[in-house]
This record gives sequence, structure tokens and C-alpha cells, in this order.
Amino acid sequence: SQQGEEDPQALSIQEGENATMNCSYKTSINNLQWYRQNSGRGLVHLILIRSNEREKHSGRLRVTLDTSKKSSSLLITASRAADTASYFCATDALDSNYQLIWGAGTKLIIKP
Amino acid sequence: NAGVTQTPKFQVLKTGQSMTLQCAQDMNHNSMYWYRQDPGMGLRLIYYSASEGTTDKGEVPNGYNVSRLNKREFSLRLESAAPSQTSVYFCASSESTGTDTEAFFGQGTRLTVV
Repeated sequence: SQQGEEDPQALSIQEGENATMNCSYKTSINNLQWYRQNSGRGLVHLILIRSNEREKHSGRLRVTLDTSKKSSSLLITASRAADTASYFCATDALDSNYQLIWGAGTKLIIKP
Repeated sequence: NAGVTQTPKFQVLKTGQSMTLQCAQDMNHNSMYWYRQDPGMGLRLIYYSASEGTTDKGEVPNGYNVSRLNKREFSLRLESAAPSQTSVYFCASSESTGTDTEAFFGQGTRLTVV
């Protein structure tokens, strides 16, 4: 069962532009995490936002959470070629027995 | 600092063969996980181990077995490989099973079953 769904599936932008990716989920959550996966590599944790938080920042990353709409967005400002990767959201669910449930990811390409 | 180490990185099996994927972490984490990643889909949890000595089924456990050998090591075994098990397998670890904890991933094992 897929809890999170990222949108868009793929995004291609010029270096220096901002990139926005969205994640929608189906059931109530305790928290939501974003991860990055470079091609052929494992996933790397970016940021976690709790259900009682609306916005969180980490360097060039800004994450928002709207629990009323069951959605989150990840904004990468001033994108760089090194940001080229796939980005995944992962949510728990209040009845998930501690399991994270993952979306299919957004593939981000930064053109130099 | 190695983090999470998986072996092998690549493997080709014939249908019906068996193999064990190895995973070790050096972060003294209590919890370890095995996921599979298929094109166009999110990670799906196969098995997890909340702490040394315990293992539990995840979303897609059929066709797999696991062993939490000690706190560091968590292996995944395919007893009789099937083409449907062609996938990229990731091992991960975290301090606990709480979903508010960061998971650390290995580099993955790309398995092809022919």
C-alpha cells in the first residue's frame, strides 16, 4: 500500500532556479521525512517534519506540511547540478506499527 | 565511518537458486530493515528487526527470510529465487523503530533473477 505520492514524477530545471516537489498522503500521520537518492546509491535523510509543525528549514531546503490537505512540499532554492537526484517522501501512519511508507519519488534534473 | 555496508553490490541468479544478502552497520543502532525498490514504486519493507533477537514481517515478506545475527548484522535470504524478485535491495538502520528517527541506508544490491 502506498501512502505517499510525489508530484511531479520528473522535473527538469536550469541551475540556479528553485525546485518544488510535492507529496500527498492518505491517512493521518505523526511525521513526514524527505530523502534524496543519487543515481545508483542509497537514500540519504534530508529533513523530518512533525505533524504539529507547518514549516521547517535546513540550508537551501524548505519543507512545508499541510495536514488539512494531507500534503507536504519540498523546496530547493538556488539549485545546483549536485542536486540532481530522486527525492522521496516517507510517512508513518498512526496505525502503521512503526513502519515508514514511501512514495515513488520525484526525479529532479538540474541542467547546467 | 562506514555506516551501513551491504554485500554483494550486484548478483545474477538463476530461478530456483538461493542466496543471502549481507548487511552490517557500525552505528550501534537497535533497528535494521530490508527494503526492495522497483522502478516507479517507492521502497517496500520486506522485514525489519526492532532490536537484536527480534524480527518482524513488513509489507512484502513472501519468498524471503531474515536473521538478526547480532546487533551489527542483519541478513536477507532468498531460498528459491524467482524472476519477480529481480529488484534493488536496500538495508537500512536506525536508532529505534520510531518513525521520527533518521534511517541510514546501504548502497544497495542489484539482483537479477533469470
